[in-house]
Amino acid sequence: SQKIEQNSEALNIQEGKTATLTCNYTNYSPAYLQWYRQDPGRGPVFLLLIRENEKEKRKERLKVTFDTTLKQSLFHITASQPADSATYLCALDGGSYIPTFGRGTSLIVHP
Amino acid sequence: SQTIHQWPATLVQPVGSPLSLECTVEGTSNPNLYWYRQAAGRGLQLLFYSVGIGQISSEVPQNLSASRPQDRQFILSSKKLLLSDSGFYLCAWSGPARGSTDTQYFGPGTRLTVL
Repeated sequence: SQKIEQNSEALNIQEGKTATLTCNYTNYSPAYLQWYRQDPGRGPVFLLLIRENEKEKRKERLKVTFDTTLKQSLFHITASQPADSATYLCALDGGSYIPTFGRGTSLIVHP
Repeated sequence: SQTIHQWPATLVQPVGSPLSLECTVEGTSNPNLYWYRQAAGRGLQLLFYSVGIGQISSEVPQNLSASRPQDRQFILSSKKLLLSDSGFYLCAWSGPARGSTDTQYFGPGTRLTVL
């Protein structure tokens, strides 16, 4: 069956360091992959989309990579700040224009 | 610009009572609309989606139902709530054109507690 895996353990890092979050998937052939940010008690907010034929996408301090051979996406936040603390969700398009979301990984940036 | 509204923000209901959650979208036409539920510490569970007025697809069998009486209005209902219906309910919309991506734009959510 199709499966999306994100690390359930929170990622704790110091301010200024680069945070790297992982999204692994099985039994998918996604056309694209998306990353969202969710703050407690709020709806997710779209951050970045990367297509299957793209290796890397950047937006300000954010960078996403997509390796369809490894079936993995990495999400990087450089020069992290306490305000970056949130849960980050990856989502894959299963081919029906309805994304499937991972459970998310909590990021905590310590000052 | 597009905006999405949900209400109420929080709701406490007794078991067996009815439910009606409303979602409206502004600034776009013919959006795809979605209802998700997020239980504590869990991922987003797609409940219903709609590609047009009166067109509802259900992803999970349950005691909930959805309706789309107008192009930009999406309603989640139940005749009798269960304890297991507690959770954070999110409405979302995406662009209508086939071939476009399904980037989701979420509303603020409704926190439902069933006692």
